[in-house]
Amino acid sequence: AQSVTQPDIHITVSEGASLELRCNYSYGATPYLFWYVQSPGQGLQLLLKYFSGDTLVQGIKGFEAEFKRSQSSFNLRKPSVHWSDAAEYFCAVGLNTGFQKLVFGTGTRLLVSP
Amino acid sequence: SQTIHQWPATLVQPVGSPLSLECTVEGTSNPNLYWYRQAAGRGLQLLFYSVGIGQISSEVPQNLSASRPQDRQFILSSKKLLLSDSGFYLCAWGGSYGYTFGSGTRLTVV
Repeated sequence: AQSVTQPDIHITVSEGASLELRCNYSYGATPYLFWYVQSPGQGLQLLLKYFSGDTLVQGIKGFEAEFKRSQSSFNLRKPSVHWSDAAEYFCAVGLNTGFQKLVFGTGTRLLVSP
Repeated sequence: SQTIHQWPATLVQPVGSPLSLECTVEGTSNPNLYWYRQAAGRGLQLLFYSVGIGQISSEVPQNLSASRPQDRQFILSSKKLLLSDSGFYLCAWGGSYGYTFGSGTRLTVV
């Protein structure tokens, strides 16, 4: 079955430092890939997505992600974290066969220290 | 543009009481609609999805049910709430190309 793994439950980063959140997926073909962000008590907001083409995708709020087929990974990065980036981040894969739905990872909570 | 509305934002209900959460979408027709639950400290669990009026599929057996009485309306219900039904409920529309989420409902069963 398709699955998404986010190995880090919590990550703490100092403000101004770089960030990388890991995501690995298990799927027989190249899926559609997404990163969402959730602030406390809010819905999820799309940060970026990958369907095909350039494996480095740019998103909102200065985030980027790189698709690596050989590693089945889609890691999220940001060169300099701001305190407002503290939130929970979800990686998801879209299954482009059968019923159209997203499968989500369990999320990574980002804490930003001053 | 497409928007999705979900209400209420918060709800505190006693055990054994009924539940009705509503989600409506504007600016699109015949959307795929989804209900997810997010328990404290856990990821997103798909509860129900719908590809059209009256068409509901359940992902996991549970105390909840869903209905789609109109094209852009999706309702999550329960006849008798359990403590384990507490959580954050999210409605979404979209598909494999991505979702747009509602703002969520925080349900606390006491």
